[in-house]
Amino acid sequence: EIVMTQSPATLSVSPGERATLSCRASQSVSSNLAWYQRKPGQAPRLLIYGASTRATGIPARFSGGGSGTEFTLTISSLQSEDFALYYCQQYNNWYTFGQGTKLEIK
Amino acid sequence: EVQLVESGGGLVQPGGSLRLSCAASGFTFSTYNMYWVRQAPGKGLEWVSYISTSSSAIYYADSVKGRFTISRDNAKNSLYLQMNSLTAEDTAVYYCARRIADQTAKAFDYWGQGTLVTVSS
Repeated sequence: EIVMTQSPATLSVSPGERATLSCRASQSVSSNLAWYQRKPGQAPRLLIYGASTRATGIPARFSGGGSGTEFTLTISSLQSEDFALYYCQQYNNWYTFGQGTKLEIK
Repeated sequence: EVQLVESGGGLVQPGGSLRLSCAASGFTFSTYNMYWVRQAPGKGLEWVSYISTSSSAIYYADSVKGRFTISRDNAKNSLYLQMNSLTAEDTAVYYCARRIADQTAKAFDYWGQGTLVTVSS
């Protein structure tokens, strides 16, 4: 099983600043990686797939990068609605998720 | 608007069975591959099962293989998960999710709100 490790577990950033979340795979997943946003009481929302392709309706301030085993999700200028839990997921070999990074207001 | 609404969760005794349903609306259900995903209390998201549009391809996570059965009824726009021989480790919120239409990816572009399954005596 491919293990996905996200860091940090919690990230404190001020609104308007840039946030960078990391995700590492235990073996190469090529570009078969997705990022999801999750807010309390809501279903997960797909942000990025193919490591860097924004899903339909996702604002341009969200960008994904990386390939192989190292990936990042960057939110260029944090809005109040962006403070949430973020998960990465690999779909190169079945499907596994990271434990999540909580993005909180500093 | 795409909607996925799960139902059928509840409290069941160890060794018991439960059938989850997922009602889909707002899109052509028969043209999308579907999944079940779960999240146990305090744990991460875990993929459970996959079914292709025509049910010709079905896969399960090792943790549920032989106990769970995924199915779909395209005429009723519904996805199902029959869960047998349940154990405490199956306690989780169960989500149905849709696979993205982009054939180059296997991400999940819409999820339901989930239904809670509690296995306890």
